[in-house]
Amino acid sequence: NAGVMQNPRHLVRRRGQEARLRCSPMKGHSHVYWYRQLPEEGLKFMVYLQKENIIDESGMPKERFSAEFPKEGPSILRIQQVVRGDSAAYFCASSPTGQGASEKLFFGSGTQLSVL
Amino acid sequence: GENVEQHPSTLSVQEGDSAVIKCTYSDSASNYFPWYKQELGKGPQLIIDIRSNVGEKKDQRIAVTLNKTAKHFSLHITETQPEDSAVYFCATHRPPSKLTFGKGITLSVRP
Repeated sequence: NAGVMQNPRHLVRRRGQEARLRCSPMKGHSHVYWYRQLPEEGLKFMVYLQKENIIDESGMPKERFSAEFPKEGPSILRIQQVVRGDSAAYFCASSPTGQGASEKLFFGSGTQLSVL
Repeated sequence: GENVEQHPSTLSVQEGDSAVIKCTYSDSASNYFPWYKQELGKGPQLIIDIRSNVGEKKDQRIAVTLNKTAKHFSLHITETQPEDSAVYFCATHRPPSKLTFGKGITLSVRP
C-alpha cells in the first residue's frame, strides 16, 4: 500500500517562473492538505482540499498560490511568478474519510523548492 | 487562532537517558494532540497521539501526558537510542479544522 507520493522531490525555478507540485494521496484517502516548512520553522498550514472542493484555504497567500484536487489525478499546488521567499519544503498529507478525518495525517516526503 | 509552542528548541541527551519534550497550546477547544517525528529528508510521521478525555498514553518506549487544565502536553521517550535523533513536532486539533503544529524540537541522542 503506497504512501503519500509527492513529486518532484526537488524543484529548481528562476524568479518569475511557475512551480507545480504534485501529490497523490494514500489509496482510499480523499482529504489532502498542503503544508509549508521553512528552516527553523514549523509546519505552516496552507490549504485543505477534498475531491473537487477547497475546504479551508486560510493559510494560502492571497496572490500567486492556488491548489486543486480534481476528480481524477493528483492534487496540484501551483505557485505563479515565484520569488526567492517561496523557497521552502512543501509537504502534502492525506487522511481517510470519516469521523476524525482531519486528525491523523499521513505525510509525503515533500518537495524542496529552490528559487534562484 | 491556535498558538502552539514547544520548548526547548533543541535537546541533547546521552544514549539510554530519558527525554521529555513539552508543548503548550492556547485553544481550550482543542481535543486531539498528536506528536510527529521527522527524520532528515523525510516527511513527518505520527508516533503517538492522545485525546482530551485521556491523561496519559504509552506505547513501548514513548508516552504522552496531557494536562488540559494547564493546556500542555508532553512527549516522554525512555531509554533513548541514536535512532531517536530527529525533529519532533507537537500539534493540536480543534474540530472540524486542521492540525496546528509547533515549531519543532531537534533531539540529539549522543552515543
